[in-house]
Amino acid sequence: QKEVEQNSGPLSVPEGAIASLNCTYSDRGSQSFFWYRQYSGKSPELIMFIYSNGDKEDGRFTAQLNKASQYVSLLIRDSQPSDSATYLCAVYGRDDKIIFGKGTRLHILP
Amino acid sequence: KAGVTQTPRYLIKTRGQQVTLSCSPISGHRSVSWYQQTPGQGLQFLFEYFSETQRNKGNFPGRFSGRQFSNSRSEMNVSTLELGDSALYLCASSLDLAGAYNEQFFGPGTRLTVL
Repeated sequence: QKEVEQNSGPLSVPEGAIASLNCTYSDRGSQSFFWYRQYSGKSPELIMFIYSNGDKEDGRFTAQLNKASQYVSLLIRDSQPSDSATYLCAVYGRDDKIIFGKGTRLHILP
Repeated sequence: KAGVTQTPRYLIKTRGQQVTLSCSPISGHRSVSWYQQTPGQGLQFLFEYFSETQRNKGNFPGRFSGRQFSNSRSEMNVSTLELGDSALYLCASSLDLAGAYNEQFFGPGTRLTVL
């Protein structure tokens, strides 16, 4: 059974600090990795995607991938109250099927 | 450009009934994927349609089916509804097959309640 694991939270981070969200996956052959943000009562929206080992930066967001450790993370710098949401990690396997983690609830404290 | 639209937004049914949900993708997008989201199981992939053909399928029973029309609009059908089918059903579209390298855009979802 292929799995994507995330800490459910809530993760509380002071405004202006760095929020670090983590995700592990079981399928070693996974090809690509996505982070979605979902506000309460809304649908998911894509924030970042990463395919290669290392870091990928986009504004205040940085995705980090370590395929050897089967670990992907999302860093949010200068956290804002508007970043308060549930963050979903999604992984595409070799079979082209996407598996989502259950999400981490992030709460930015003003 | 209009986003992904789903109808209806809310639906209440009773056990044993069947239901049909509709999804209109972003103009020009040819792939439509369906997902079920519940508090317990999270977001789970149901199936993907591309060029009117089912290209991929998740681990759901045969009561869940779908189809795609020539204009890329898609419908999802659930027969013999069970209480556990109560969920938010999300549709997502992408330009090409929603594989590893294509961004998906989600619709607002249909909230289905089975009584």
